[in-house]
Amino acid sequence: QVQLVESGGGVVQPGRSLRLSCAASGFSFSNFAMHWVRQAPDKGLEWVAFISYDGSYEFYADSVKGRFTISRDDSKNRLYLQMSSLRSDDTAVYYCASSGDYGDYYLEYWGQGTLLTVSS
Amino acid sequence: DIQMTQSPSSLSASVGDRVTITCRASQNINSYLNWYRQKPGKAPEILLYEASILQRGVPSRFSGGGSGTDFTLTISSLQPEDFATYYCQQSYSPPLTFGPGTKVDLK
Repeated sequence: QVQLVESGGGVVQPGRSLRLSCAASGFSFSNFAMHWVRQAPDKGLEWVAFISYDGSYEFYADSVKGRFTISRDDSKNRLYLQMSSLRSDDTAVYYCASSGDYGDYYLEYWGQGTLLTVSS
Repeated sequence: DIQMTQSPSSLSASVGDRVTITCRASQNINSYLNWYRQKPGKAPEILLYEASILQRGVPSRFSGGGSGTDFTLTISSLQPEDFATYYCQQSYSPPLTFGPGTKVDLK
């Protein structure tokens, strides 16, 4: 079955960097676009970033553009989110999600999330 | 960017009730609208895509409609596992955007 397992969250000071990882299994990872979505405590969902199935194009939310970079390693079935210049409002649970058979921009499978807390 | 709104922001209902949630886009998104359910403490799960197509494995009590800017999610007979928060999301163009959510709780 499809599994997406995020890791790399934790507590980090404002201004620092961190990389999140998402391990994918149970599907042909290299055939699907991938996303990061976050959810601040007791808030709604916020889409963060997208990478195409072949890594040839990426999109970002305005709130993270220039600070976050999404990437993928198909040889390892892994998705990454490199985050820099972290701010307190980046505190959230970060989910990785895969697109599906019906298009790149809907989120068919989700991981369980990893919590990032940005605090001094 | 395309802004998404939802109404109501919350509602109280009983098991067996029929519930309808509305989602509105700030511009025409054709039928590129998806619905998700998020149970407390869990990741979201997709219910419908392209406004009205039921994701495989999702019960038929869920249905969706609309096109252009106005959309609905209907649960025909609310079940205990449906007490959750529901989000719409436009998949018309990036940046992808979610609605603020509708929380369905027990009356």
